[in-house]
Amino acid sequence: QSVLTQPPSVSGAPGQRVTISCTGNSSNIGASYDVHWYRQFPGTAPKLLIYGNNNRPSGVPDRFSGSKSVTSASLAITGLQAEDEADYYCQSYDSSLSGSVFGGGTKLTVL
Amino acid sequence: EAQLLESGGGLVQPGGSLRLSCAASGITFGYYAMSWVRQAPGKGLEWISFISGTGYSTYYADSVKGRFTISRDNSQNTMDLQMNRLRAEDTAVYYCARYYYDDIRTSFASWGQGILVTVSS
Repeated sequence: QSVLTQPPSVSGAPGQRVTISCTGNSSNIGASYDVHWYRQFPGTAPKLLIYGNNNRPSGVPDRFSGSKSVTSASLAITGLQAEDEADYYCQSYDSSLSGSVFGGGTKLTVL
Repeated sequence: EAQLLESGGGLVQPGGSLRLSCAASGITFGYYAMSWVRQAPGKGLEWISFISGTGYSTYYADSVKGRFTISRDNSQNTMDLQMNRLRAEDTAVYYCARYYYDDIRTSFASWGQGILVTVSS
């Protein structure tokens, strides 16, 4: 059971907008620790997609955006493309565990 | 750009030991905190260990505490993970990952390609 909760799967048609939620608690997201997002294609290492809640590393298109509220965060992908099909993970810090924590991952399917 | 390369993986029997290494290039290694993150077959990412830029601070997930030891040699730009008393549930791809800063609260800015550890008799 992951500390951060994500939906196991989401789907959308090309061109649509999808969101992936990440729910935490008062020891992690609710304690104002930043949320970060990663994308992972099968057989490859994860890659940073969003850092510090809503910042994109160089090279990540602006179709990807992040937001954060009290105890949850969301990743939004607009203009969905076939190549967006991958697994997406959120990550934060948990003060009660004194460690980094991940969500269980969400598989995005482009219909 | 930072490059991270893991080595030392393989097949080990339950109860055995293995030592993973991560070699970094393209960065001032000692400026950054590092971690090991693993992914069991078909499962999600699991953070297992952290080491600060100086090596003075280390943290472990409960699943590996007391069995795994993280260390680093900034003069050699390397980080190691000594894994003892291995169990079948330690079977996973192990990733070496660099934090954005020398701060556990930040993101993983770069990752190695991963190395497979299989614990089986």
